[in-house]
Amino acid sequence: GQNIDQPTEMTATEGAIVQINCTYQTSGFNGLFWYQQHAGEAPTFLSYNVLDGLEEKGRFSSFLSRSKGYSYLLLKELQMKDSASYLCAVNNDYKLSFGAGTTVTVRA
Amino acid sequence: IAGITQAPTSQILAAGRRMTLRCTQDMRHNAMYWYRQDLGLGLRLIHYSNTAGTTGKGEVPDGYSVSRANTDDFPLTLASAVPSQTSVYFCASSDGGGANVLTFGAGSRLTVL
Repeated sequence: GQNIDQPTEMTATEGAIVQINCTYQTSGFNGLFWYQQHAGEAPTFLSYNVLDGLEEKGRFSSFLSRSKGYSYLLLKELQMKDSASYLCAVNNDYKLSFGAGTTVTVRA
Repeated sequence: IAGITQAPTSQILAAGRRMTLRCTQDMRHNAMYWYRQDLGLGLRLIHYSNTAGTTGKGEVPDGYSVSRANTDDFPLTLASAVPSQTSVYFCASSDGGGANVLTFGAGSRLTVL
């Protein structure tokens, strides 16, 4: 079975940094994804980690520790448009299982 | 513009009726998926297809069926809708490669009364 946990909500100020944690317990592992989903829209791909360590992509970075079953998504220099839900997903046998998502609200 | 088209965008349906949600992709992706998204539960996999002619059950398949007659189309059918199937349904596809990045359609909002 799959168990993927992430906080329900986070609030941060424009220009600040926010870290969204994700822990997982799965029967198999072929990589971990982060997706962004704005209200009323489809999820869009942000990042992918299959090996331990940090992957940086502009203002967004994602970290993975396979031994700890842990990942985080780091959002830097927050902008108002970053207000969205962030979904952690584990690739198991080429099917993605998703956490419930973390809603990030960016305040001016 | 390449991507995934879902129809209908929104539908209200009486319980007991049959409903088919349509999904078409033009990216020639091998794998296709159907997820439902409910508040507090996130995205849950209903059915998937790794390639045309094959399908498999996901986490919540009961009450749903799919077919994959060709690469592009992956319809989801509710044989006899029930109120618990009220949800937003997302179709997705991937090229099935190592990273298996999913591309999602815009979603179909279904309300069963």
